[in-house]
Amino acid sequence: QVQLQESGPRLVRPSETLSLTCTVSGGSISVYSFYWGLIRQPPGKGLEWIGSIYNSGLTYYNPSLKSRVAMSVDTSRNQFSLRLTSLTAADTAVYYCVRAASSIAGTGEVDSWGQGILVTVSS
Amino acid sequence: DIVMTQSPDSLAVSLGERATINCKSSQSVLYSSNNKNYLAWYQQKAGQPPKLLIYWASNRESGVPDRFSGSGSGTDFTLTISSLQPEDVAVYYCQQYYVTPITFGQGTRLEIK
Repeated sequence: QVQLQESGPRLVRPSETLSLTCTVSGGSISVYSFYWGLIRQPPGKGLEWIGSIYNSGLTYYNPSLKSRVAMSVDTSRNQFSLRLTSLTAADTAVYYCVRAASSIAGTGEVDSWGQGILVTVSS
Repeated sequence: DIVMTQSPDSLAVSLGERATINCKSSQSVLYSSNNKNYLAWYQQKAGQPPKLLIYWASNRESGVPDRFSGSGSGTDFTLTISSLQPEDVAVYYCQQYYVTPITFGQGTRLEIK
């Protein structure tokens, strides 16, 4: 069974850039028909999809974040990464690394989730 | 964006009774080419990541108890728990994956009465 693990800073200052890495174990990131992505959840609130990436490097981003988001994949390390720039307090959230089936929207249903990492944006 | 609206926001049901959660999308998520509804349901228990329960609106994920079922088509969907168990206390979310950006409902909190 595939497992995902988030790693990165837990505290980031406003206006700075968040860099998160998701490490995949128990399966290859190069397997066909799956997208790898990030979903976030502000404390006590709902779920927001950030973006997804295929093993080829094809990306889909949420338009609400598109100008600030970049994702990359490193198949040799079985990892994918997120860069989110110009952070504000509104970016404070638990960030989940996920695996999703392929869909006509790119990202389909999410069948595997990491445990999540709480990132706080504060000075 | 497709807006997903769940009702009710919270629900209290007695143990052994039926729980019903509704989800409405602002546009159809039925793909006519394959007659599939691009709609999933998730369960999130306190302090845990969400867990996939249902995909294609009515397909139960492997390992999910058969008391969970999904129904509906087009823009109106329902998650039903036929006989509520203590371990079903959670927040439930619907999600559309018909178009980008994929979007989630606001969540429905389910408690024991």
